[in-house]
Amino acid sequence: LAKTTQPISMDSYEGQEVNITCSHNNIATNDYITWYQQFPSQGPRFIIQGYKTKVTNEVASLFIPADRKSSTLSLPRVSLSDTAVYYCLPGPNNNAGNMLTFGGGTRLMVKP
Amino acid sequence: DAGVIQSPRHEVTEMGQEVTLRCKPISGHNSLFWYRQTMMRGLELLIYFNNNVPIDDSGMPEDRFSAKMPNASFSTLKIQPSEPRDSAVYFCASTSLGAGFGETQYFGPGTRLLVL
Repeated sequence: LAKTTQPISMDSYEGQEVNITCSHNNIATNDYITWYQQFPSQGPRFIIQGYKTKVTNEVASLFIPADRKSSTLSLPRVSLSDTAVYYCLPGPNNNAGNMLTFGGGTRLMVKP
Repeated sequence: DAGVIQSPRHEVTEMGQEVTLRCKPISGHNSLFWYRQTMMRGLELLIYFNNNVPIDDSGMPEDRFSAKMPNASFSTLKIQPSEPRDSAVYFCASTSLGAGFGETQYFGPGTRLLVL
């Protein structure tokens, strides 16, 4: 399983764009990169997933360079409700099982 | 869809007592995962099932922990006897393996366990 490194915490202000970068140097060829969001007292929730280049949905964008050794989650114009812990998870897409390993995540604090 | 359902949401018990946590996965999902989350250790995968069969229980901390999945719609995680260091939030998650583009996991609300 790919080991990940993310910043432990980040601070931002409402309306700003936030970029959280995760490094996963030993990502496998068949690994996708998934980001989860966790609010206090709740379980993690899927945000976005990608394999390479750029993926965008209604919540965020995910940028993955050609070597796939890192990925950046971009949250446009954050609000106070985006305060949460964000986890980056490379993981296989195969029928044998997806043993997701959650690292420490990045604790994002959005201030007014 | 009601999502993943866990019960109880909160449990307070005394050391030495048996604790049983319950999970109902999303209908149609064929894989179920049990996680434990603490401030010190973060979110740890304890065990996961595929088609009701335990596939990997290497994350189960010791013999006091056991998990079962008697059918596709129900799973239990049992701690016997419980100890104060078992205090944590226990999450259940489910997914549909072989769905294609990665297997997104859907988490339940968690059970907050406090062992006194």
